[in-house]
Amino acid sequence: SAVISQKPSRDICQRGTSLTIQCQVDSQVTMMFWYRQQPGQSLTLIATANQGSEATYESGFVIDKFPISRPNLTFSTLTVSNMSPEDSSIYLCSGWTGPNEQFFGPGTRLTVL
Amino acid sequence: QQPVQSPQAVILREGEDAVINCSSSKALYSVHWYRQKHGEAPVFLMILLKGGEQKGHEKISASFNEKKQQSSLYLTASQLSYSGTYFCGTQGPGGAQKLVFGQGTRLTINP
Repeated sequence: SAVISQKPSRDICQRGTSLTIQCQVDSQVTMMFWYRQQPGQSLTLIATANQGSEATYESGFVIDKFPISRPNLTFSTLTVSNMSPEDSSIYLCSGWTGPNEQFFGPGTRLTVL
Repeated sequence: QQPVQSPQAVILREGEDAVINCSSSKALYSVHWYRQKHGEAPVFLMILLKGGEQKGHEKISASFNEKKQQSSLYLTASQLSYSGTYFCGTQGPGGAQKLVFGQGTRLTINP
């Protein structure tokens, strides 16, 4: 298994600003992902964070809005850009530790006013 | 495409059994089960692989019917600690390492 930490754990932001969320894994993982979860709802995959290359985004999510970096095998960032109240959600980072297990970070609870 | 879970919610007394189902309209490579407690991250329970069945915990087991593209999670002699929302995550053919999650099943265990 792996231990995944995220910063910040929560934040309240103003409309039009940007927030960068950091994800740190305590061991190397093959894949890292970013999810969004509305309270009481399911997890929606935003993108796969690829090490050393551009992230792979799911339908409905674009790089300009959610730029992602992954400089090495244990760290990734997700930026939520030009925020609106609709971006209020919980953002979760996950890592695929292989061969078949995916572990989640504690999440970042974002509120946009 | 998002798998469908049933039931959406279930309330049990401690010691009772529960079954949670997960169905997909697409062929599956694997099904992953998670439990999430309020305000916490989802916790991995077990994985069911195509061609096999894996039991992750003593009183929590699961099955995978590849032909029907369905998986079921079985919780026997439920404990208060089993309360939470259960999600299935499905992995498509080719084993691409990303999961599509069902809408969740909220399980409440009462004393």
